Amino acid sequence: GEDVEQSLFLSVREGDSSVINCTYTDSSSTYLYWYKQEPGAGLQLLTYIFSNMDMKQDQRLTVLLNKKDKHLSLRIADTQTGDSAIYFCAETPGGYNKLIFGAGTRLAVHP
Amino acid sequence: DTEVTQTPKHLVMGMTNKKSLKCEQHMGHRAMYWYKQKAKKPPELMFVYSYEKLSINESVPSRFSPECPNSSLLNLHLHALQPEDSALYLCASSDRDNEQFFGPGTRLTVL
Repeated sequence: GEDVEQSLFLSVREGDSSVINCTYTDSSSTYLYWYKQEPGAGLQLLTYIFSNMDMKQDQRLTVLLNKKDKHLSLRIADTQTGDSAIYFCAETPGGYNKLIFGAGTRLAVHP
Repeated sequence: DTEVTQTPKHLVMGMTNKKSLKCEQHMGHRAMYWYKQKAKKPPELMFVYSYEKLSINESVPSRFSPECPNSSLLNLHLHALQPEDSALYLCASSDRDNEQFFGPGTRLTVL
């Protein structure tokens, strides 16, 4: 079935690292994505990882993929107040162009 | 031009009105999407157009009618909506089957 799960809330101190976790169910997903949504705005594609990769790094962002456990994580280094937002992971079951989103993790960054 | 634009930004309509949401992209993407996002929920796919043809309809009620006049434009025609249809309507586009880029959305209120 299609189901993506995330923890709903994460609070971190400015300058610390944030780790947002996600589990997905469909092993046929070719790509897995992380999107960011600020209040009242659309979704911003942050990064994605191809299913045959274990890790992808892009500046402050590191994505880890454990395909055996169907676990995806997003690490944000040196978290800033501008990183406060909702972060959605998404899978593409069956390899088709249909994004299935998790419920979203609200990241709150405090001084 | 690397963005997806949506108009209007906000829309208030009565249950007997007919209105349209518009989406435009000039990135040469061949797939375009409509998503619906209720408050505090993830986006849910409504429709997918691929090469200007409707390829996915996620059992959306007929009071929502999509249209793709050309490869750059996507419309969503609204008629006889219900108050529970109030939501943020997001348009996205993609090249091939990955990296969907989202517009800022239209916030719809049905009275």
